Amino acid sequence: EPEVTQTPSHQVTQMGQEVILRCVPISNHLYFYWYRQILGQKVEFLVSFYNNEISEKSEIFDDQFSVERPDGSNFTLKIRSTKLEDSAMYFCASSEDGMNTEAFFGQGTRLTVV
Amino acid sequence: QKEVEQDPGPLSVPEGAIVSLNCTYSNSAFQYFMWYRQYSRKGPELLMYTYSSGNKEDGRFTAQVDKSSKYISLFIRDSQPSDSATYLCATPSSNTGKLIFGQGTTLQVKP
Repeated sequence: EPEVTQTPSHQVTQMGQEVILRCVPISNHLYFYWYRQILGQKVEFLVSFYNNEISEKSEIFDDQFSVERPDGSNFTLKIRSTKLEDSAMYFCASSEDGMNTEAFFGQGTRLTVV
Repeated sequence: QKEVEQDPGPLSVPEGAIVSLNCTYSNSAFQYFMWYRQYSRKGPELLMYTYSSGNKEDGRFTAQVDKSSKYISLFIRDSQPSDSATYLCATPSSNTGKLIFGQGTTLQVKP
């Protein structure tokens, strides 16, 4: 069964460092997403990506964040200068047709900023 | 008012019980609804996907949408200890498919 895969599963980084979280969405999906979940809190939308550009972003997704689809399979989230409050689970998701179809999530990357 | 609200629980039931999990939402324009199951420190796993009002059944799971009261439910029959997890309701809030999640309800099924 097709699935969304994310790497690494856990990343520890020092405050101020840049991190890149990687995702391989389901191959025939056209919409890609990043979500964040701080421990004990709800899953929050960060950004959606369609047709090689950002289609929507949340207030959380400020200038320190960027997304890229560098090739036909990978989808990345870069955090330029990490802060302690960026520590969270980051989930990648994909869907075939935006709001008209279900979204499937990866297992997440646990980011710990120290 | 939060767009999607869900009682965080925890909810504890004996094995074999029927479980009812519920969410309310504020925007009558929402049309699609999803239920996800999330085990600790894992990604949300899609359980049910429904459109508009009515019921949808899949094995032991039934999803119900009542658009008149903006209320969605997930019923689990013959609950098992392996059903112990957090259950998230979600709805796409824009054409991009951006999902708004409820807080999640933590369920524990005791053997």
